[in-house]
Amino acid sequence: AQSVTQPDIHITVSEGASLELRCNYSYGATPYLFWYVQSPGQGLQLLLKYFSGDTLVQGIKGFEAEFKRSQSSFNLRKPSVHWSDAAEYFCAVVPYGQNFVFGPGTRLSVLP
Amino acid sequence: EAGVTQFPSHSVIEKGQTVTLRCDPISGHDNLYWYRRVMGKEIKFLLHFVKESKQDESGMPNNRFLAERTGGTYSTLKVQPAELEDSGVYFCASSQLVAGGISTNEKLFFGSGTQLSVL
Repeated sequence: AQSVTQPDIHITVSEGASLELRCNYSYGATPYLFWYVQSPGQGLQLLLKYFSGDTLVQGIKGFEAEFKRSQSSFNLRKPSVHWSDAAEYFCAVVPYGQNFVFGPGTRLSVLP
Repeated sequence: EAGVTQFPSHSVIEKGQTVTLRCDPISGHDNLYWYRRVMGKEIKFLLHFVKESKQDESGMPNNRFLAERTGGTYSTLKVQPAELEDSGVYFCASSQLVAGGISTNEKLFFGSGTQLSVL
């Protein structure tokens, strides 16, 4: 079945540590790929997106993501996490001609 | 510029009652979407308005849900009667109407959501 998976429900990292959030999708053709973040009491904010071209995408707040076609993955990374990064992160895909399909989300906790 | 606003931010009702959620999109955005996240699961598409017309309502779970967008401005989502499984966060999003599919999704702005609790 077509889906978006985020294997990690909850991740805890120390402030200053590196971060990688995983996202895999299962669609025949490469869909458009997005990462959103939701901080408490806030709406979904777009971090970055991939449509085509360079497979390493830079986003806001120091985040980046790498598209790997062979692995059907679009993992989100940040070299040094800040306490304000604690939030829930959603991977999303837009298959051609369809609406957004979101992953289940990964909750990030940051230790001081 | 004001973002997408949703009201109320939280709603607690009893099973069998009626609740109406409201979404005010960004001014000038003809596309309006409703999504919901139930019980910590993935965010799922409910429906899509283009102006006042329902473009796609394939995600509406059942006939207890009624969405309207009179005049093509704000939208309401009514749940009547509410059931326990309707609890979750209801998100609204809007974007400008641009020819071609992905452009509308590229610039999709989300509201902060309405947390609905049905007891």
